[in-house]
Amino acid sequence: DQQVKQNSPSLSVQEGRISILNCDYTNSMFDYFLWYKKYPAEGPTFLISISSIKDKNEDGRFTVFLNKSAKHLSLHIVPSQPGDSAVYFCAASPYNTDKLIFGTGTRLQVFP
Amino acid sequence: NAGVTQTPKFQVLKTGQSMTLQCAQDMNHNSMYWYRQDPGMGLRLIYYSASEGTTDKGEVPNGYNVSRLNKREFSLRLESAAPSQTSVYFCASRRDRLGSPLHFGNGTRLTVT
Repeated sequence: DQQVKQNSPSLSVQEGRISILNCDYTNSMFDYFLWYKKYPAEGPTFLISISSIKDKNEDGRFTVFLNKSAKHLSLHIVPSQPGDSAVYFCAASPYNTDKLIFGTGTRLQVFP
Repeated sequence: NAGVTQTPKFQVLKTGQSMTLQCAQDMNHNSMYWYRQDPGMGLRLIYYSASEGTTDKGEVPNGYNVSRLNKREFSLRLESAAPSQTSVYFCASRRDRLGSPLHFGNGTRLTVT
């Protein structure tokens, strides 16, 4: 039973355009959400997070949007750069526990 | 500042053999985690430890045991390895659950033949 789902295994975007990565969740007890980026042969690295009390958080080229009623979050990367090519994971943490559940990942390729 | 260090980086086991994956963090974090990454499955939580002396099961705990030896170290043990445990294993830590992200090690690639 996958509680955090990333339904697009891959995404290809031209350099300079916007990349939009999507994530859906099923557990209404999740209250903290994060996005991670992973290059081959390395551990995931933290990108950006959002608490359930917000609906948007920005950090430079990265913006995360949270739609609680739809149980959906998205990561926008503008403008996309070739160095953004990686696998992106969303993750969610249930209220009042230390668990952090990850999605299956989306491979982003940014081409020139 | 090493962050999260995992050893070994690579390991090949025969079915039925046992081994322990080691993880240490130097960031004075309270919580530590073990994940496995498999193609098409993302990162799945095996066990986690919210603080020294406590451990809890994650999504896929069967076939594994863990020990939170002290605040710095969290080990993962395979008592009798099976081919289904072939995976890349990641250890991670974070300060606490309130607004702090996980910091990951670089992984251990385990093959069970």
